[in-house]
This record gives sequence, C-alpha cells and structure tokens, in this order.
Amino acid sequence: EVQLVESGGGLVKPGGSLRLSCAASGFTFSNVWMSWVRQAPGKGLEWVGRIKRKTDGGTTDYAAPVEGRFTISRDDSKNTLYLQMSSLKTADTAVYYCTTTPSYCSGGTCSWYFDLWGRGTLVTVSS
Amino acid sequence: DIQMTQSPSSLSASVGDRVTITCRASQSINSFLNWYQQKAGKAPKLLIYAASSLQSGVPSRFSGSGSGTDFTLTISSLQPEDFAIYYCQQSFSTFWTFGQGTKVEIK
Repeated sequence: EVQLVESGGGLVKPGGSLRLSCAASGFTFSNVWMSWVRQAPGKGLEWVGRIKRKTDGGTTDYAAPVEGRFTISRDDSKNTLYLQMSSLKTADTAVYYCTTTPSYCSGGTCSWYFDLWGRGTLVTVSS
Repeated sequence: DIQMTQSPSSLSASVGDRVTITCRASQSINSFLNWYQQKAGKAPKLLIYAASSLQSGVPSRFSGSGSGTDFTLTISSLQPEDFAIYYCQQSFSTFWTFGQGTKVEIK
C-alpha cells in the first residue's frame, strides 16, 4: 500500500527539541523530493521545508520561521524522512504532515506539488 | 515571499451549484499553482497541479485555470462531498506558500 506514516509528535516545553519521522511505503522513496507542511490548530497550511532526492543534490530549503532551528534529513535505506526541531516556540504548535513532492515538467520548466500526504502528527509546545 | 490571496474566504452554496474560488499571487508565478481540498480532521488532498492539470482520480467537475497572477478553481456542480476548505499553493519561488483557504459550506 502506498502510504506515509508520521510519528514522534508530542508535548514539549518551549526551547526544547523533538524529532519527527515519516515512514514511506509502496513507492520508490529515494526517487522523490519530500516536504513537511504544518497546520496550527484552526489555521491554514504552512510549508515548512523540503529535501531533494540525492540525484538532485539532496539539498534542503526551509521557510523563514523555521530556518536555523529545523533540519530535514532522509535515510533512503530505511525509506524514512526526518524533521529535527530545536529551540521550539509556542508558535510551532501544529499538526505536521510529510508529503511526497513530485514535479510536472513542460517546456524545460518544472513545477512541484504535494501529492501523497501522511495523516500528520501533533506537536504541542507549551510550558 | 510571494503572498497568495484567496477570495472569498468562505462561501455558502447548494448542491448542484457552480462554485468559483479565486487565488491571486503577489507577483507572477507563471503556471506554478496547485489546488488542495481539506476536509475536517483529514490531511489535504491534491486536486489540481500546474494550474490546470487534474490529479488522477479527482472528479472532472473540478477544473483549474489561470496563469501569471490570477487563478481560478471551479466546481461545475457542487456535490455533498465537496464541502471542505480549499487551498491554493505556489511553487514558483524557492519558498513555497499557501493561500489562507476558502471554506465551502452548505447553504
């Protein structure tokens, strides 16, 4: 079955750290870019960051609110995506989703989108 | 960052109605625009990518159009299962952004 399953969420104090995992199955994980998207309670969607596949350099990019505090990594041998979060703030409280991020290419340009989503894992930052 | 603004923020419609949601980018994003549907308590679902390409398995009553700064998601005949929140999202710039969402409610 094609799926993504996040884990590792929970309650953490401000300033603390947490690592989320996303286990992929049913597709060739190493071939796809992956992203994290979050949603604060009652709010809209916010892109957190992405990691390219290794053949595209394996590099990462992050949204401004998490740059320098969050780190995305991947272990293709384990079909697993990670989100290491540190210096957590109350504003980081959200459901965190991992998503596959394929591209659509036409005329030499490529557009990326979020295709397969996990069910999400809730991170609560509170004292 | 590129700002994405959806309108309206919410709307009420009846089953069978034609519904149109607009998304405007703060600068040109070519056709790098995607649409998602999110139902309560669920993960978002991709509907449209690259402004007008229908994702596999998505009903044909959903369509997308536009390029540059102005985009539209149209539901040709609203069905009971379409009541949800809809988001647009741009992937033109290095830093991807979503619109604030449009809630489609039952009239």
